[in-house]
Amino acid sequence: DVKVTQSSRYLVKRTGEKVFLECVQDMDHENMFWYRQDPGLGLRLIYFSYDVKMKEKGDIPEGYSVSREKKERFSLILESASTNQTSMYLCASRVSAVVRNEQFFGPGTRLTVL
Amino acid sequence: QKEVEQDPGPLSVPEGAIVSLNCTYSNSAFQYFMWYRQYSRKGPELLMYTYSSGNKEDGRFTAQVDKSSKYISLFIRDSQPSDSATYLCAMVGTASKLTFGTGTRLQVTL
Repeated sequence: DVKVTQSSRYLVKRTGEKVFLECVQDMDHENMFWYRQDPGLGLRLIYFSYDVKMKEKGDIPEGYSVSREKKERFSLILESASTNQTSMYLCASRVSAVVRNEQFFGPGTRLTVL
Repeated sequence: QKEVEQDPGPLSVPEGAIVSLNCTYSNSAFQYFMWYRQYSRKGPELLMYTYSSGNKEDGRFTAQVDKSSKYISLFIRDSQPSDSATYLCAMVGTASKLTFGTGTRLQVTL
C-alpha cells in the first residue's frame, strides 16, 4: 500500500511566521504535489514536482515555495504566514504520469494562522 | 465557469438506498476520470479510476462515464452509514494535471 505521511495533523502559527509542512511517501513515486482545500473551492494545486530538485508552479503558488531534495520528501514553505493561508493542506504522490494518473493523498495538515 | 461542476449537497439518504453522484465538465481534453472518497478530517482516497466511456463496477460502486455528454456518475448500491463522506470527482487532461470537483457531501442515515 502506498503511504503518504505529513508531519503534522494540526498546526497553529502566527502571522509573519515561516512555516514548514513536510510530506514523505514510501513508494518511490516520481511525482509529488501540494494542494490546499477550502470549503466551496475544492482542492487547488499549489506546487508540484516531477522529480528530485524539480518544481513547477500550480494554480495558486503565491506566498508559497517548495523544496524537493530527496525523492521521497516534498516540503511546502510559507515564507511569511498570513491569515488567508489558514486552510487544509494536502500532499499527494503519483508513480508517474506515464504509468498511471491517480494520486495518493496524505492525511492532511490543518493549518490555522492567527 | 468552472471546468468541473459538482453539486456540493449535502445529500441525505436512508441506509440501503441507491446513491447517484454526478459531475459535469467542459474540457474535451479530459481523458481519465476518478472518484475519491474523503472522510471528515482525512485525506482523499481513490475509489474508482476509469479512462473510457461506459461503466466500471467494483463491489457496490459503479462509475459511469459519458464523454459525449461530458458527464460522469458514481452509483453506490445498498448504501451504508460508513459511506457517509465527501465524494470528489477528478479528471486528467493535457499535461497530466488533475482537476477536481468541489465535492458532494453524502450522509447515509440509519
